[in-house]
Amino acid sequence: GENVEQHPSTLSVQEGDSAVIKCTYSDSASNYFPWYKQELGKRPQLIIDIRSNVGEKKDQRIAVTLNKTAKHFSLHITETQPEDSAVYFCAASIRGGSYIPTFGRGTSLIVHP
Amino acid sequence: GAVVSQHPSRVICKSGTSVKIECRSLDFQATTMFWYRQFPKQSLMLMATSNEGSKATYEQGVEKDKFLINHASLTLSTLTVTSAHPEDSSFYICSARGGREQFFGPGTRLTVL
Repeated sequence: GENVEQHPSTLSVQEGDSAVIKCTYSDSASNYFPWYKQELGKRPQLIIDIRSNVGEKKDQRIAVTLNKTAKHFSLHITETQPEDSAVYFCAASIRGGSYIPTFGRGTSLIVHP
Repeated sequence: GAVVSQHPSRVICKSGTSVKIECRSLDFQATTMFWYRQFPKQSLMLMATSNEGSKATYEQGVEKDKFLINHASLTLSTLTVTSAHPEDSSFYICSARGGREQFFGPGTRLTVL
C-alpha cells in the first residue's frame, strides 16, 4: 500500500518568514496530492491540491510543488501570519477507483508574532 | 464547498454503554464515506470505508464488531461504538467524498468514563 512520510513534525517560524513542509510517497500510481490544514479541535480543511500532471500550483501565499520522479511534494507558505498556525497534513491517493487517501503524520506549524 | 455535518460534537458516556455518531453530507450525495480516529497531536487514522448499501471495509486492526458502521443512504453514515471503554476515548472524524475532493465533518469528541 501507499506510505506517506511527512517532515518536519514541528516547525516554528517568525511572522513574515516562509515555511516549507515536505512529503514523500511510495506508490508511483498515486496521482492526487491534497494538503489539509487542521486547527485545534476542528476539522481538516483542504487548502490546496495538485495532480500528477502538474509540477507546481500556487494560490496567493500558498504553493505546492510536485516531483513525480523523486516521489515527493512540498507545501510552501510565504509571508506567514499567526493565523497560519495549525497542523498541516499532506496526503496521496489514486484518483478514481477506491480513492482512499493516505495521510502523512502532520506538521505542527507555529508562527510567532 | 460541500458541507459535512457530524452529530454529536461531544459525548461523555459511562464504560460499557454504546454511542452512535452520525455523519451527513448536507448538499451532495456521498457514495463513500470514511471514518477516522485521531489521537491528540497525531494524524488521522483511517478506521473504515463506508459504501452506501454495502458492508463497510475495515482497516487492519479495527474491530468491526466494536465499531459498527452503517451507510443506509447516500447522505448518512453512522458509527456506533459498542460497549465503550476508556481506551475508546478519542476524536472521531468522518469524511465524505464529493468528486475528487474529500470533505471532513467537524468531528466528535468521545470521552468514556
